[in-house]
Amino acid sequence: GENVEQHPSTLSVQEGDSAVIKCTYSDSASNYFPWYKQELGKGPQLIIDIRSNVGEKKDQRIAVTLNKTAKHFSLHITETQPEDSAVYFCASGGAYKLSFGAGTTVTVRA
Amino acid sequence: GAVVSQHPSRVICKSGTSVKIECRSLDFQATTMFWYRQFPKQSLMLMATSNEGSKATYEQGVEKDKFLINHASLTLSTLTVTSAHPEDSSFYICSAKGQDFYSNQPQHFGDGTRLSIL
Repeated sequence: GENVEQHPSTLSVQEGDSAVIKCTYSDSASNYFPWYKQELGKGPQLIIDIRSNVGEKKDQRIAVTLNKTAKHFSLHITETQPEDSAVYFCASGGAYKLSFGAGTTVTVRA
Repeated sequence: GAVVSQHPSRVICKSGTSVKIECRSLDFQATTMFWYRQFPKQSLMLMATSNEGSKATYEQGVEKDKFLINHASLTLSTLTVTSAHPEDSSFYICSAKGQDFYSNQPQHFGDGTRLSIL
């Protein structure tokens, strides 16, 4: 089955700085790569996704890049704010189900 | 749009009790729903996938007689934890996705159910 590795497991950044989270996947057939943000006691919330026919996607302060050849994708958060503090999960999959990374706990220091 | 409602948010009950958790898609038709289990500070572990009107597909190691899943309509799926024991205590989360023949639709998650078995 699909194996998704996510790094780092924890990330502490100063408010206003950028945060980068990286994931690799194993199944070359995967063609859909969403990112989720999970706050304490809540379910994951989709923040951005990318499909295999594009290499980059941006939505305000959030961007995702995809390198299908190397089988890795990254989340970039610019101008971080305290409300960006949460656990972020990458995921990889196709038409049926997703495999999730282990998560990255992001802390934005004021 | 794409709101998924999960109830109850928290359940505390005695060992041996059966517990039902509901997952509803409020503003879209969910042809597929997923049930996950999440342990503290860990990732989401897929338990089963259910398609409306058909039997759920369980992941390896998940007991189908223990975790009963029903997806009777395009907006509702239920997970029943039968004869729950303390080791079943966990955070259970559902997700739902609509159908699109041309591209993958995102999974949208409920806010989870914290199950505590005494």
